[in-house]
Amino acid sequence: DVKVTQSSRYLVKRTGEKVFLECVQDMDHENMFWYRQDPGLGLRLIYFSYDVKMKEKGDIPEGYSVSREKKERFSLILESASTNQTSMYLCASIFSGGSYEQYFGPGTRLTVT
Amino acid sequence: QKEVEQNSGPLSVPEGAIASLNCTYSDRGSQSFFWYRQYSGKSPELIMSIYSNGDKEDGRFTAQLNKASQYVSLLIRDSQPSDSATYLCAVRDRGGKLIFGQGTELSVKP
Repeated sequence: DVKVTQSSRYLVKRTGEKVFLECVQDMDHENMFWYRQDPGLGLRLIYFSYDVKMKEKGDIPEGYSVSREKKERFSLILESASTNQTSMYLCASIFSGGSYEQYFGPGTRLTVT
Repeated sequence: QKEVEQNSGPLSVPEGAIASLNCTYSDRGSQSFFWYRQYSGKSPELIMSIYSNGDKEDGRFTAQLNKASQYVSLLIRDSQPSDSATYLCAVRDRGGKLIFGQGTELSVKP
């Protein structure tokens, strides 16, 4: 079974803090994604990566950056957290040579106060 | 026009009935289609994928795809209260990313 894990289920941070959200997948998937999900706005793509050290902006990259130093790990960084970044953050991965089925991690509920 | 559209619901069905969830998409070149189930406070869980026109059955779930009409649906037979969730339709775009609909909330009443 594909397993995607995220470092925290719940996180509370203060405005202005630098926040790291970690995602790890154990299936040697090339493609990894970071989304946020907010009521009424659905899933929105923040950043994605097709391979190590590669990254592409999604639909809402402002205020975020990413890092992919190893194939299994994709990190989302909030350089200076703001209250409007309070959200559910979801990581996902896909094996590009197969069925393109995308699997999600359990999510991190981030609250910025 | 949204790229992937779903009725937001809520869709309410009695226990044991068939629930029908619908999705339309705008990119005629799309080739891969997925249904996810999401319980409140949880992450989306992949339940069906479909790539060819026609029906694909998996237990109580049937996915139906009609590329000419740009329409994909999910049928849930013998609906159970545990099926109550939001169902997300997703379509793979030409760049390899999934485009998600807003989701349809399903409520199965005992």
